[in-house]
Amino acid sequence: KQEVTQIPAALSVPEGENLVLNCSFTDSAIYNLQWFRQDPGKGLTSLLLIQSSQREQTSGRLNASLDKSSGRSTLYIAASQPGDSATYLCADGLTFGKGTHLIIQP
Amino acid sequence: DTAVSQTPKYLVTQMGNDKSIKCEQNLGHDTMYWYKQDSKKFLKIMFSYNNKELIINETVPNRFSPKSPDKAHLNLHINSLELGDSAVYFCASSQDRKWRNSPLHFGNGTRLTVT
Repeated sequence: KQEVTQIPAALSVPEGENLVLNCSFTDSAIYNLQWFRQDPGKGLTSLLLIQSSQREQTSGRLNASLDKSSGRSTLYIAASQPGDSATYLCADGLTFGKGTHLIIQP
Repeated sequence: DTAVSQTPKYLVTQMGNDKSIKCEQNLGHDTMYWYKQDSKKFLKIMFSYNNKELIINETVPNRFSPKSPDKAHLNLHINSLELGDSAVYFCASSQDRKWRNSPLHFGNGTRLTVT
């Protein structure tokens, strides 16, 4: 059964820094890899979806990569802003990690 | 024009009561889901319906009964509520029943508190 892990559980960085969030999964036969953002008291907003046959997806300052052989995905956020503060979750199909709580310090 | 809407946003009730949460999506998607997010923020799939047909039924107590009157609606009825049912329940939808190519779209959640 697929297990998705996100490390670290929390991360705090100064504004303007580039940062990487990590996601690992146990079964390389993934459906797809999706990154979400969750703001307090809100639902999840889809950021990027990488299909099983793809290696990466980009949207604005966000870049997500997928390496099935190593069971890893990363979400790269360039030039971080305070508005990026949120919890970021990754998911393989319908199986979610527990998220990384990101704080961008002004 | 909210894409996935859930009602109510907050629900406070006593143990033993029966309650329902409603979900509607206006995205024209074929598949809808219920997720439970516990106090540790862990999201776990509960149910999925595709065109009114139940396709996923995880290990959930049978006190929980989903109902899909049409593909745009998926409601969740909970009987004999227990303290451990307190959580945030999220509804979601996707175009693809195999969720391979289409992203999940989430509602804003219903915070259920059982006292």
